Amino acid sequence: DAGITQSPRYKITETGRQVTLMCHQTWSHSYMFWYRQDLGHGLRLIYYSAAADITDKGEVPDGYVVSRSKTENFPLTLESATRSQTSVYFCASSESLGNYGYTFGSGTRLTVV
Amino acid sequence: QKEVEQNSGPLSVPEGAIASLNCTYSDRGSQSFFWYRQYSGKSPELIMSIYSNGDKEDGRFTAQLNKASQYVSLLIRDSQPSDSATYLCAVTPDTGRRALTFGSGTRLQVQP
Repeated sequence: DAGITQSPRYKITETGRQVTLMCHQTWSHSYMFWYRQDLGHGLRLIYYSAAADITDKGEVPDGYVVSRSKTENFPLTLESATRSQTSVYFCASSESLGNYGYTFGSGTRLTVV
Repeated sequence: QKEVEQNSGPLSVPEGAIASLNCTYSDRGSQSFFWYRQYSGKSPELIMSIYSNGDKEDGRFTAQLNKASQYVSLLIRDSQPSDSATYLCAVTPDTGRRALTFGSGTRLQVQP
């Protein structure tokens, strides 16, 4: 299917476990982004990538790791999950960093217990 | 000071009225401005973009930008109950060298 897909849609994990959220886009967009959305904070940028093997930190990168070995995939890993990482995570993609809007995936609701 | 500020609402308007949503931003170097609509439990959806001062119309939506006042707004004419959602303002700060920064959103309720 064309577009941007995230998996899983829902995930419950325990504190201290490693968890990876997946993101795949079919448009060959150069830029991909990970945001988290929390009540009262809106969308906050975690990491973004300008191309394969090029990543950069956003506003809230601590506790997260990203990689981008292929243009179409941009997984986000929580190395040791904490309760404060309970959130809704959105992946997005775009042709540019700021000239065009971003298209978002459907999100992953992560609960850390 | 937050980079992008919005009143959280809820903003309640009757069906058929004009809804006016406002957003201010702090970085004078901001270049591109976007409005997203987000239904409860769904992902943000891009509805408007604006890059230069003035008004931009698309159907029932009008985006307004005033860079001198660092202010961007979204007008929704003939509001419908289906417009009830959270509207997010997004800005590209630092002359486009940084990723989109989002406001916390304004919740709009259109009363039938």
